[in-house]
Amino acid sequence: ELKVEQNPLFLSMQEGKNYTIYCNYSTTSDRLYWYRQDPGKSLESLFVLLSNGAVKQEGRLMASLDTKARLSTLHITAAVHDLSATYFCAVDKTYDMRFGAGTRLTVKP
Amino acid sequence: DTAVSQTPKYLVTQMGNDKSIKCEQNLGHDTMYWYKQDSKKFLKIMFSYNNKELIINETVPNRFSPKSPDKAHLNLHINSLELGDSAVYFCASSQEWPTEAFFGQGTRLTVV
Repeated sequence: ELKVEQNPLFLSMQEGKNYTIYCNYSTTSDRLYWYRQDPGKSLESLFVLLSNGAVKQEGRLMASLDTKARLSTLHITAAVHDLSATYFCAVDKTYDMRFGAGTRLTVKP
Repeated sequence: DTAVSQTPKYLVTQMGNDKSIKCEQNLGHDTMYWYKQDSKKFLKIMFSYNNKELIINETVPNRFSPKSPDKAHLNLHINSLELGDSAVYFCASSQEWPTEAFFGQGTRLTVV
């Protein structure tokens, strides 16, 4: 069974600091995704990572994928309050997309 | 305009009732999903369909019955609702390669 582990589950950061969220998965997979969810809202896609060594960046967020280690990271640079949300990684194995437990990020001034 | 739309957005009902949630996508995707998000925000896959065919049925009580009349629709019917069914239910759709899944706005189900 495809399992996805994410850590930390809770992250409180000061504005301007850097931090990394980790996502491990249990079996080989075709694709890895990062999503953002604001309170009371739906999930919004941030990144799609399709191959080993893939790196994508959008603003203060950068995601990478190491398929050999079955590990993806979401790096936050110089956090700002607007980044406060829950971040999920998800792994897709042909019609079967499983999510990590989510990282609830709070950025404090 | 909405890519994946669910109705209703909120649903409050009594234990023992039967209810349905509807989902439609206008993206032309072949695969659709139902997820349950509990109070701790954990997202659990319930069902996936590809071209109207059930692919994943993830140890969901048989009170839950998905129905896909066509590729654009995946509805969820729930019989004999229980308190533990209270959650947010998300519908999603995706194409086989290489895009991400797109999610509906969610249906907050409260069983009283």
